[in-house]
Amino acid sequence: GQQLNQSPQSMFIQEGEDVSMNCTSSSIFNTWLWYKQDPGEGPVLLIALYKAGELTSNGRLTAQFGITRKDSFLNISASIPSDVGIYFCAGGYTGTASKLTFGTGTRLQVTL
Amino acid sequence: DADVTQTPRNRITKTGKRIMLECSQTKGHDRMYWYRQDPGLGLRLIYYSFDVKDINKGEISDGYSVSRQAQAKFSLSLESAIPNQTALYFCATSADRTFPEQYFGPGTRLTVT
Repeated sequence: GQQLNQSPQSMFIQEGEDVSMNCTSSSIFNTWLWYKQDPGEGPVLLIALYKAGELTSNGRLTAQFGITRKDSFLNISASIPSDVGIYFCAGGYTGTASKLTFGTGTRLQVTL
Repeated sequence: DADVTQTPRNRITKTGKRIMLECSQTKGHDRMYWYRQDPGLGLRLIYYSFDVKDINKGEISDGYSVSRQAQAKFSLSLESAIPNQTALYFCATSADRTFPEQYFGPGTRLTVT
């Protein structure tokens, strides 16, 4: 089955730095979702995007739905140690079967 | 209390044994899903159900079966466990076709020896 390409696969950053990651697909989606997974836990929904070009924030997190509808971006500003985890993107379709296609994840580690 | 719960959280079993993983939800969602997570492979869909009478195979259903006992309960069975089924298993729910967001349980870590 198709999976989305996420980059980078992993990153080490220092506390206080801004983080950017992206997700690309060969298919068009009309919904993009971003999840975070802490060690030993299930993914938690961070942001949902429904419209091409849409920019949505959740605290220090900002995500954008790419104009081509084949990509999405997640930015984290002023990172803190609790931002550590794996970030997954997922593409989906409203009004249909509502199955999601997931990215392979970006592992974020924050050093003090 | 958690909206989506999974039992057990950890399970070690032997090759050839039949085991069942259970998922319950209090979100009132009709749609439920089972995923498998392996390192570096992200989340892969095993089975999904849009209501009690609807069961569908996902991309990796071989070796697995499911039962939707009620709107709130969806179980995953491994008929004869094998070592390459060692993985993290997640249950998820979603509301309806309008909003495809899925909400995940805490996972079951399964080890087959």
